[in-house]
Amino acid sequence: DQQVKQNSPSLSVQEGRISILNCDYTNSMFDYFLWYKKYPAEGPTFLISISSIKDKNEDGRFTVFLNKSAKHLSLHIVPSQPGDSAVYFCAAADSGGSNYKLTFGKGTLLTVNP
Amino acid sequence: KAGVTQTPRYLIKTRGQQVTLSCSPISGHRSVSWYQQTPGQGLQFLFEYFSETQRNKGNFPGRFSGRQFSNSRSEMNVSTLELGDSALYLCASSLQDSYGYTFGSGTRLTVV
Repeated sequence: DQQVKQNSPSLSVQEGRISILNCDYTNSMFDYFLWYKKYPAEGPTFLISISSIKDKNEDGRFTVFLNKSAKHLSLHIVPSQPGDSAVYFCAAADSGGSNYKLTFGKGTLLTVNP
Repeated sequence: KAGVTQTPRYLIKTRGQQVTLSCSPISGHRSVSWYQQTPGQGLQFLFEYFSETQRNKGNFPGRFSGRQFSNSRSEMNVSTLELGDSALYLCASSLQDSYGYTFGSGTRLTVV
């Protein structure tokens, strides 16, 4: 039972354009969402997060949008740079459940072409 | 400040053996979590520790165990290794009750 789904295993965009990575979740108890970036041979690096009380959070080139009714979130990267090429993981948590656990999607490989 | 340190980085073991992996969290971080990453399943939660207490455990068999020491360092142990245990094992630490986990680089375990 996959509670967090990233339906696109890969995405390729041109440098300077927008990258949009999508994530869907099924567990209505999830109320905190995070995006991580992972390079090969390294651990995931935290990018940006959003609480369910918001529908948007921005940090520089990265913006996360949350649509609670659709149980959908997306990460926008503008403008995309070759150094953004990595695997991006969406993760979700039930902060009220005190279970101290992140549920991850399987990741999307983003390739930004020069 | 130093990040999350995992040792060893790479490990090759034989089926049936046991293995112990180590994790040193960021100084001041008292919560330590472990995740297994495999190509087919992504990152799967193993367990989380805080102040030497396991607060949550994922859906893994009893062969997977862990512990946390008073200095917040953590170890995980896998007994009776199976080929399917080959994976990247990631440790993450965070401040109390925070989901802003910082991950280590992982230990790549290969079971032959």
